[in-house]
Amino acid sequence: SQTIHQWPATLVQPVGSPLSLECTVEGTSNPNLYWYRQAAGRGLQLLFYSVGIGQISSEVPQNLSASRPQDRQFILSSKKLLLSDSGFYLCAWSQGHTGELFFGEGSRLTVL
Amino acid sequence: GENVEQHPSTLSVQEGDSAVIKCTYSDSASNYFPWYKQELGKGPQLIIDIRSNVGEKKDQRIAVTLNKTAKHFSLHITETQPEDSAVYFCAAKEAGTALIFGKGTTLSVSS
Repeated sequence: SQTIHQWPATLVQPVGSPLSLECTVEGTSNPNLYWYRQAAGRGLQLLFYSVGIGQISSEVPQNLSASRPQDRQFILSSKKLLLSDSGFYLCAWSQGHTGELFFGEGSRLTVL
Repeated sequence: GENVEQHPSTLSVQEGDSAVIKCTYSDSASNYFPWYKQELGKGPQLIIDIRSNVGEKKDQRIAVTLNKTAKHFSLHITETQPEDSAVYFCAAKEAGTALIFGKGTTLSVSS
């Protein structure tokens, strides 16, 4: 069966520090991978999605970036965090763009 | 691009009552409409979905209806129970694109 792992689960970082959130999927190949952010009162905002290694689509301009170094690995990064980057970050995968989206357990980021 | 509006943002019901959450979407090309349930501190999970060639779908106490002409779809939960308390998200997409979500509805079921 397929599983998705996301870490760290919680993170407290100072403003201006770097960020790296990791996500891996097991039990499937060539999944579509997604990063969503959930901020209070703003629902689930699509940040990035990837249909293959090295292929990243950005949905929202910001100081975050994403990379897909391996087929089942998706990384969310920032060089310098802002207060507004605080939120609950969710990684997800689907088999192609037509099927169900499966979410990880999320990473709660607090920027102080 | 697609824009999904969801109402209400909060909903409180008594156990046993029905709950209805409504969403509208903007892109007439959208053809897939799932609903997700998110419990506190966890990732959302799919509870029911509907495609554009179907008007209604039921799964036990939950049902989803779709009106393509009006571009809206709704989630209906009957005989609500305390464990139904969670945040519910609707979403929409067309083929070849990513899911776009509404802002969520916090449902509270009191016993």
